[in-house]
Amino acid sequence: QVQLQESGPGLVKPSGTLSLTCAVSGGSISSENWWSWVRQPPGKGLEWIGEIYHSESTSYNPSLRSRVTISVDKSKNQFSLKLSSVAAADTAVYYCARDRSRTGGSYFDYWGQGLLVTVSS
Amino acid sequence: DIVLTQSPATLSLSPGERATLSCRASQSVSSSLAWYQQKPGQAPRLLIYDASSRATGIPARFSGSGSGTDFTLTISSLEPEDFALYYCQQRSNWPLTFGGGTKVEIK
Repeated sequence: QVQLQESGPGLVKPSGTLSLTCAVSGGSISSENWWSWVRQPPGKGLEWIGEIYHSESTSYNPSLRSRVTISVDKSKNQFSLKLSSVAAADTAVYYCARDRSRTGGSYFDYWGQGLLVTVSS
Repeated sequence: DIVLTQSPATLSLSPGERATLSCRASQSVSSSLAWYQQKPGQAPRLLIYDASSRATGIPARFSGSGSGTDFTLTISSLEPEDFALYYCQQRSNWPLTFGGGTKVEIK
């Protein structure tokens, strides 16, 4: 059973960089899946941020592309999210998730529990 | 971006009743649509993918239908644990997008 666990600071200052890590257990990040980040502002809907393959190929939501970097660390079986120049609108629960497709851009069958990140001074 | 519009925003029903949730896409997504269930404080759970295929472990009371721009999630007989938020998501065009959600609440 694949499990994902987000970690990182719960509070980030405006204009700073949000940095989160997702640890994968019960499976290899080098499997034929893509790995995604999805966020959900409090009381609102879901927004896909981007995804990565173990070969380090990435795909990002154009609305966030200029500020987002997703990377993978195969030795630690984890992947990470960096979001720069954050503002209050970036306050959200951030989820990591597994894309069930080998080609990416699909649906998400395993999710982390989510981590609330608040942007505030 | 493809916009997914879910209706109604809230559905008030009693246990045992049938729930019918709608998701309409701003342009055709063929059958490339999924449904998720989300309970308070939890991550979404994949219920249906490719419009009508049930994900692993999902009870048969959940079914999906539709293609093109109009999709439906049906819960044939609501169980107490089915009262939750439901989201649709398309994978036909980049970027992946989600609908605004339908809340199924106890009447």
